[in-house]
Amino acid sequence: GAGVSQSPSNKVTEKGKDVELRCDPISGHTALYWYRQSLGQGLEFLIYFQGNSAPDKSGLPSDRFSAERTGGSVSTLTIQRTQQEDSAVYLCASSLAVSSSGNTIYFGEGSWLTVV
Amino acid sequence: GESVGLHLPTLSVQEGDNSIINCAYSNSASDYFIWYKQESGKGPQFIIDIRSNMDKRQGQRVTVLLNKTVKHLSLQIAATQPGDSAVYFCAENRGGRETSGSRLTFGEGTQLTVNP
Repeated sequence: GAGVSQSPSNKVTEKGKDVELRCDPISGHTALYWYRQSLGQGLEFLIYFQGNSAPDKSGLPSDRFSAERTGGSVSTLTIQRTQQEDSAVYLCASSLAVSSSGNTIYFGEGSWLTVV
Repeated sequence: GESVGLHLPTLSVQEGDNSIINCAYSNSASDYFIWYKQESGKGPQFIIDIRSNMDKRQGQRVTVLLNKTVKHLSLQIAATQPGDSAVYFCAENRGGRETSGSRLTFGEGTQLTVNP
């Protein structure tokens, strides 16, 4: 597609339920990133993929969070047993590659998650 | 810890004036810097970038200046317009070896308000 596409754009879920967020990167981009942004805050790195592998998962806040990427394209971020503190905007981004500095990273519009 | 931060959380200017948004970074190994603009309810939008081997880079109505001696980055917006009102984030990208990954570390953001 023309840009990074994320779905759902908005999700309201009950505490304790699992949620899945989807990201479709720009076609041809091998690197994919997940960030989280709480209201009025900066962006917090969660995880990135180079192809289907995730060399850096250091930003995942707990073992309730997991992500996968298949076919070197679409990625899903799963949050199990959601808590109210998980409420945030989950932003996906992609770039042509990871290994070279200077590859522009493009963001999607985000998935707004509210846990009630 | 190492981080990227901004000097001012808010900046208010008159339409037509020039705006300067500042950013300080602490990681001397960072070799690539980016400015993003984020409008309310949207994902970050790439504005301009600069590599560490440069001091200045110009785009359309925007200029980024990099002072590696004092680890300072600034974004200058010429003839600021109401449509420029948004939160502006600076980010550093360490790049480097593929095994170490490449990801963005964001500052907290500056809210720019342009008064008509």
